[in-house]
Amino acid sequence: EIVMTQSPATLSVSPGERATLSCRASQSVSSNLAWYQQKPGQAPRLLIYGASTRATGIPARFSGSGSGTEFTLTISSLQSEDFAVYYCQQYNNWPPNTFGQGTKLEIK
Amino acid sequence: EVQLVESGGGLVQPGGSLRLSCAASGFTFSSYEMNWVRQAPGKGLEWVSYISSSGSTIYYADSVKGRFTISRDNAKNSLYLQMNSLRAEDTAVYYCARDRIQFDAFDIWGQGTMVTVSS
Repeated sequence: EIVMTQSPATLSVSPGERATLSCRASQSVSSNLAWYQQKPGQAPRLLIYGASTRATGIPARFSGSGSGTEFTLTISSLQSEDFAVYYCQQYNNWPPNTFGQGTKLEIK
Repeated sequence: EVQLVESGGGLVQPGGSLRLSCAASGFTFSSYEMNWVRQAPGKGLEWVSYISSSGSTIYYADSVKGRFTISRDNAKNSLYLQMNSLRAEDTAVYYCARDRIQFDAFDIWGQGTMVTVSS
């Protein structure tokens, strides 16, 4: 089973600033990596798939990069609605496909 | 509107059973692979089970293998999860989620249904 490790666990950033979230895989997942956003009481929402392709309707301030074992989600200028928990997921080797433990992005 | 709506959650005693349903609308359900994903209170996401578009290929997480059964009825645009021998650690919100394409990211999620296993 591939283990996904996200860092940091919590990230405090001011609105308008840039946020950088990291995700590491225990072995290569090629570019088969997705990012999800989850707000309290809501289902996860797909942001990025294929490591760098934005899902339908996702604003351009969200970008993904990386391949192999190291991945990054960048939010270029934080809006109030972006404060949430973010999860990465690998779908290269499954079952099981596996999620990271999440990064909580909070307002500084 | 593309939509998934779960139902069937509730409170059940340890060792009991529950059947979850997920109703799909707004897309050709029979063309998509589907999954169940769960989230324990205050915890992260855990994939539970996968079923191919025809129902011929099924996978389970080790934590539920032998206790849970996934199925689908393409004529009714519905996905199911039969959960037997429930344990306290099965307590979670259960989401149904659509594969974007086969063995890919999950692009559509339901709102979730809560399952609580407690005496």
